[in-house]
Amino acid sequence: GAVVSQHPSWVICKSGTSVKIECRSLDFQATTMFWYRQFPKQSLMLMATSNEGSKATYEQGVEKDKFLINHASLTLSTLTVTSAHPEDSSFYICSARGNRGPYEQYFGPGTRLTVT
Amino acid sequence: QKEVEQNSGPLSVPEGAIASLNCTYSDRGSQSFFWYRQYSGKSPELIMSIYSNGDKEDGRFTAQLNKASQYVSLLIRDSQPSDSATYLCAVTDNDYKLSFGAGTTVTVRA
Repeated sequence: GAVVSQHPSWVICKSGTSVKIECRSLDFQATTMFWYRQFPKQSLMLMATSNEGSKATYEQGVEKDKFLINHASLTLSTLTVTSAHPEDSSFYICSARGNRGPYEQYFGPGTRLTVT
Repeated sequence: QKEVEQNSGPLSVPEGAIASLNCTYSDRGSQSFFWYRQYSGKSPELIMSIYSNGDKEDGRFTAQLNKASQYVSLLIRDSQPSDSATYLCAVTDNDYKLSFGAGTTVTVRA
């Protein structure tokens, strides 16, 4: 149990285009999902918290108009990177609160974004 | 701002030895504590969670929590080459947000 998937696993896009990343909880309902970004040799940085049916809460310094988050159902959250630039190239990882414990988070496999 | 600090690595241990990882946190209100393992190029994998003072054992892993000292540790017994990874300490309180340490890279020498 507590399996989280992400799609795509990697994507290359041109500067100025938008990219959508999907995060799904496969065997449980996730009322809360989280989106992280990780640059090489750095730890994970929380970008936003996504609750089903409500607006996402963004961490300080994260542009909400650039990183659009939609949590349309209890098993799906999406992150759209709008007007991507090379500095947005990173490893994007989602997580979901699992059903084995209220505080445990299970991570998706991540999406590696490269903007050329 | 919650701060989570881990002992600096990298940590190199011979196969079969015990690897000891330490973590301290700044927020006394932290209630839940986790150890994640992250292989290079992969996402983190939850290996231990601990909520109350004392020890918690799961296979070759033992987590120790001391809330008075704001200290969490992870012991890996009988280390295997497959344990070579970066280990992330994470804490959270009632807001469910995880605050991560920078990670300690462990290398197990065969």
